[in-house]
Amino acid sequence: ETGVTQSPTHLIKTRGQQVTLRCSSQSGHNTVSWYQQALGQGPQFIFQYYREEENGRGNFPPRFSGLQFPNYSSELNVNALELDDSALYLCASNSPGINEQYFGPGTRLTVT
Amino acid sequence: KNQVEQSPQSLIILEGKNCTLQCNYTVSPFSNLRWYKQDTGRGPVSLTIMTFSENTKSNGRYTATLDADTKQSSLHITASQLSDSASYICVVSASANEKLTFGTGTRLTIIP
Repeated sequence: ETGVTQSPTHLIKTRGQQVTLRCSSQSGHNTVSWYQQALGQGPQFIFQYYREEENGRGNFPPRFSGLQFPNYSSELNVNALELDDSALYLCASNSPGINEQYFGPGTRLTVT
Repeated sequence: KNQVEQSPQSLIILEGKNCTLQCNYTVSPFSNLRWYKQDTGRGPVSLTIMTFSENTKSNGRYTATLDADTKQSSLHITASQLSDSASYICVVSASANEKLTFGTGTRLTIIP
């Protein structure tokens, strides 16, 4: 166990809908990163938050947005869902300066 | 463009045998290289992390090597067990701010 939790574990949505995924970081970790992992592929970086501010973003459209809260938990929001958004969404937390990212178990999103 | 390539894409070996997985990267500037194990539908779990100055690191039956000159790494698994069946992902960090470049992984299957 890494101490990083995600909810829900599985989710089915319809194209065009909106979804919110949640992540609770390991205690003391003020940096969280979100990744999208399509089946059979490596994770792709979506964005990173550090102390409630976005701290870098990958090649994802603006309909992918995030929040980090004062307790360092985090949300990933996806609007106008597309079929290609079906994937495993992973969050990972770490403390700055420590070369270690701890991943949560992921949320499996299916868009129909 | 930062890239991480892994080979083979998939591998099947008998329980008890050894195997070696390969990783080549073109990430610059280099900060560290990690190997993760990912069970199907789960988040990645870190096996080893190596910085520029380290050329080998072990974690039980897992031994990783790094050649920073040729930008190659390998993960050697000794005396494989059925529980080693998973995807093994090579991840390279380009800077201390922990933005990671993931390989697509090697799918390892151990058969009795």
